[in-house]
Amino acid sequence: QKEVEQNSGPLSVPEGAIASLNCTYSDRVSQSFFWYRQYSGKSPELIMSIYSNGDKEDGRFTAQLNKASQYVSLLIRDSQPSDSATYLCAVNMDQEYGNKLVFGAGTILRVKS
Amino acid sequence: DARVTQTPRDKVTEMGQEVTMRCQPILGHNTVFWYRQTMMQGLELLAYFRNRAPLDDSGMPKDRFSAEMPDATLATLKIQPSEPRDSAVYFCASGFFAPSGSPLNEQFFGPGTRLTVL
Repeated sequence: QKEVEQNSGPLSVPEGAIASLNCTYSDRVSQSFFWYRQYSGKSPELIMSIYSNGDKEDGRFTAQLNKASQYVSLLIRDSQPSDSATYLCAVNMDQEYGNKLVFGAGTILRVKS
Repeated sequence: DARVTQTPRDKVTEMGQEVTMRCQPILGHNTVFWYRQTMMQGLELLAYFRNRAPLDDSGMPKDRFSAEMPDATLATLKIQPSEPRDSAVYFCASGFFAPSGSPLNEQFFGPGTRLTVL
């Protein structure tokens, strides 16, 4: 079982819709969670981080965390064609040293205009 | 505008040659990471440093790869000798880790070095 799992997609949504991206992780002691957006040929860009159960909102993005279920998600409201990218879920699994992230394989999102 | 910088952005070399990639972390960050990304394996952590000291290089092929931080503003990743299977995009990332601080410990990526070994 992979440590961080994501559906590879592609996830296709119409412009203006809500895109829902999901991620599960295996390590119960993980404390912090991150969503990165990666455009083709570019580097990963941090868009959301969360460490408390519940929701965290930033503009059109909402991160949701449920530690009991080992599940983190990213909602993108009012999706735009410019949101089309690969979204990487990352989990901090090294509490002793901190910062060590394990990345999922990513979900490809396509927003159709 | 604080950002991680990497050089070179593209490198094409022949098998057996030495390759050196360089990274300048964001000023003030005390942790530097080297990642490799391929279509097959995704994003893999190769090594990372805190306060210039290596913390973990278990993801790195030891026989040909080496990573160093000569000073706080420069991290290097060397491959000698290079092989075609090393072709990938190599990313450097940096962050600030404070044991008693925020648990978030965010990391920020550089633009990457695209390596092609013929």
